[in-house]
Amino acid sequence: AQSVSQHNHHVILSEAASLELGCNYSYGGTVNLFWYVQYPGQHLQLLLKYFSGDPLVKGIKGFEAEFIKSKFSFNLRKPSVQWSDTAEYFCAVKRGGSQGNLIFGKGTKLSVKP
Amino acid sequence: SAVISQKPSRDICQRGTSLTIQCQVDSQVTMMFWYRQQPGQSLTLIATANQGSEATYESGFVIDKFPISRPNLTFSTLTVSNMSPEDSSIYLCSVQFKDTQYFGPGTRLTVL
Repeated sequence: AQSVSQHNHHVILSEAASLELGCNYSYGGTVNLFWYVQYPGQHLQLLLKYFSGDPLVKGIKGFEAEFIKSKFSFNLRKPSVQWSDTAEYFCAVKRGGSQGNLIFGKGTKLSVKP
Repeated sequence: SAVISQKPSRDICQRGTSLTIQCQVDSQVTMMFWYRQQPGQSLTLIATANQGSEATYESGFVIDKFPISRPNLTFSTLTVSNMSPEDSSIYLCSVQFKDTQYFGPGTRLTVL
């Protein structure tokens, strides 16, 4: 069965620190990859997505993610975090080219200290 | 993107009762989904609801417990039946719109 692993449950950073959140998936075929963010008290929002092409994907609010097929990874990065980035981040995977279901990781809670 | 609204936003219910959650989207969509997010957990898919066909339930979820309606391309309901405290969770509606899934604000359900 497909699975998505997010390595960190809770990450605490100071403002201006760099961020990298890990995400690995287990499916070997073509995949569509997503990062969603859930700010406190708000609903899930799409941060960025990868379907094909350039493996380095840029999303909203300065986030980017790199798809490394050989490592089955899709790590999320931001060079300098802000207090407003405090949120929970979810990696999700869907089999490409089909109407398959999104499989979510367990989420990483990011706390940014001002 | 698609904008999704859910009603109610939260509710507190007694065990043994049922609650129906409504989901409205601002665009016509074929695929709608219902998820559950239990405290401290990730999202778990309950069922996929396509207009014009019966909902497809994931392993561990059954129609008698979570009946779903999908009367048109912009609306769906999920009923949580015969509730127990274990059903306390956030229930999320989601739609597929142009290859991407969008999520509603969720319904926070507490069962006493």
